[in-house]
Amino acid sequence: QVQLQQWGAGLLRPSETLSLTCAVYGASFSAYSWSWIRQPPGKGLEWIGEVNHRGSTDYNPSLKSRVTISEDTSKNQFSLKLSSVTAADTAVYYCVRVSGFLEWLEYYYYLDVWGKGTTVTVSS
Amino acid sequence: SSELTQDPAVSVALGQTVRITCQGDSLRSYYANWYRQRPGQAPLLVMYGKNRRPSGIPDRFSGSSSGNTASLTITGAQAEDEADYYCNFRDSSAKIWVFGAGTKLTVL
Repeated sequence: QVQLQQWGAGLLRPSETLSLTCAVYGASFSAYSWSWIRQPPGKGLEWIGEVNHRGSTDYNPSLKSRVTISEDTSKNQFSLKLSSVTAADTAVYYCVRVSGFLEWLEYYYYLDVWGKGTTVTVSS
Repeated sequence: SSELTQDPAVSVALGQTVRITCQGDSLRSYYANWYRQRPGQAPLLVMYGKNRRPSGIPDRFSGSSSGNTASLTITGAQAEDEADYYCNFRDSSAKIWVFGAGTKLTVL
């Protein structure tokens, strides 16, 4: 059974850097892409970015200037760094596995395994 | 446009059938995925692709699509189906994921 275990600092001050790590258990790390998604209190889901099986990354354009996602294949882990945080970055952050299937020469993707989430609060 | 539109709230009587919809021009080219999120829990994938259910999801959940609208249908809604439901897809051209704003399902 695939499990994602995530951790990181839960309380930050404005302008600090958010740092979260997610460890993958029970799955072939290099066979998938891995994503970070967040959810502000009482609001919907927002995609932050992802790292694929080749180690390249894609980011939400609205966050791209502040986000870095990296992977450590030797530890089956991937990480999120979000710089210069403000109160607007207060949210539950989820690490997520990206899976896909091929149909008619086109790949379609879905988010099939989620971590439990880490609550990050930005407050002075 | 990569936006997805969902009704904010939908209600259904216990045991009845409910359809939750997701609209967006991109759904003419991509399948919508559906996630259920109960209070205090992480989202759970309940439908992906063309009516594909992950292991463990009851067969009362089904998916369909027509034009720019994807639908998640629950046939015989149960109390435990009360949750927020989100649709999404990955835009392979833009290399971004797009989420709908979510639909709060109330089972009466």
